[in-house]
Amino acid sequence: NAGVTQTPKFRVLKTGQSMTLLCAQDMNHEYMYWYRQDPGMGLRLIHYSVGEGTTAKGEVPDGYNVSRLKKQNFLLGLESAAPSQTSVYFCASSLAGSTDTQYFGPGTRLTVL
Amino acid sequence: DQQVKQNSPSLSVQEGRISILNCDYTNSMFDYFLWYKKYPAEGPTFLISISSIKDKNEDGRFTVFLNKSAKHLSLHIVPSQPGDSAVYFCAASGYALNFGKGTSLLVTP
Repeated sequence: NAGVTQTPKFRVLKTGQSMTLLCAQDMNHEYMYWYRQDPGMGLRLIHYSVGEGTTAKGEVPDGYNVSRLKKQNFLLGLESAAPSQTSVYFCASSLAGSTDTQYFGPGTRLTVL
Repeated sequence: DQQVKQNSPSLSVQEGRISILNCDYTNSMFDYFLWYKKYPAEGPTFLISISSIKDKNEDGRFTVFLNKSAKHLSLHIVPSQPGDSAVYFCAASGYALNFGKGTSLLVTP
């Protein structure tokens, strides 16, 4: 039982490049979330999903897209990376809504030059 | 605007003493609160939670207190241990979790 895994762990991009971050969970959770953590800012919600085939915007969605084609996977895309997207990205999942415990992945450290 | 505030960025406590981490919130609609613990290079892990119908919840060395009238909650760790050194995030439940900025706790031997 791996829990929540994230791929890749580290990535360096040039401004304007695109990439996709993959999150996978093996706990059969309905809800999945993408957060970013910046120094002194805590965790901010980018997008979330309440089930397969659904997505919704969080607090800071601009510049990101997401897809939830399979229940166990939640993808975060950056179409044209900007230096302001340099951050640590965390994926999380929960069985039910936000009152349920969220389980976090180990994070992806992204640097955009 | 930050709806969950942790006004102390850091806290240092001696081993064996009590650690008290504080959290304030502004939205009176929040009805469920959680504390997460985060070690460097790892994702946050759930520590303890409290529903707004309670004013206290205990789990071993960890106790969370909720004062709804003051919109304030606190996490008490007794006794503190060096392994408790981590960043602690307070979170409040709305349509999603609203996190504070975190408090870095250092427990010294």
